[in-house]
Amino acid sequence: KAGVTQTPRYLIKTRGQQVTLSCSPISGHRSVSWYQQTPGQGLQFLFEYFSETQRNKGNFPGRFSGRQFSNSRSEMNVSTLELGDSALYLCASARGSYTDTQYFGPGTRLTVL
Amino acid sequence: AQKVTQAQTEISVVEKEDVTLDCVYETRDTTYYLFWYKQPPSGELVFLIRRNSFDEQNEISGRYSWNFQKSTSSFNFTITASQVVDSAVYFCALSGSSNTGKLIFGQGTTLQVKP
Repeated sequence: KAGVTQTPRYLIKTRGQQVTLSCSPISGHRSVSWYQQTPGQGLQFLFEYFSETQRNKGNFPGRFSGRQFSNSRSEMNVSTLELGDSALYLCASARGSYTDTQYFGPGTRLTVL
Repeated sequence: AQKVTQAQTEISVVEKEDVTLDCVYETRDTTYYLFWYKQPPSGELVFLIRRNSFDEQNEISGRYSWNFQKSTSSFNFTITASQVVDSAVYFCALSGSSNTGKLIFGQGTTLQVKP
């Protein structure tokens, strides 16, 4: 069974630009969660999508948004990038219940200059 | 509120030593799950174990073992006879019925195993 895939793996952007990251979950998984990892803040939850609906959301500004498609693939978008958005963005897929294990992709390393 | 604390920021051991990584959690959910993940330098979080709040049996998988104690809200992870390949950052995480889809992570413990 193929694992979670994320594209691109690396991105370099400048302040003010926007970026879209993509995540393809494990086949059969309907939940996709996104996390931001930085040295200072650790792993923080951004949001979770299940069956194309945002089901849970973390404490991030509105510049961070996401969506999920009918095939469960998910994208997250960050608009008006700031230097502090430089981070490793990880997505995880699960079947859909809080009891399920989340399996993580390799991450997208975003650098904002 | 839910919270996970990993008080050990960094641990350094010599190969073949045993090492225990501590994890303490807080939650008001009566049903919850605890996880351990390993993050090697490549960055991907690798799932190690899941435990539910109703199962306090300790678990052993090869050189890895986990001790879940509800009375002290702890879920500790022990590596026996550590190896250089065990060097990584280890995260303890919590999910609960009040927060579907969201894992609460501890700050992580960096384990360095020296040859």
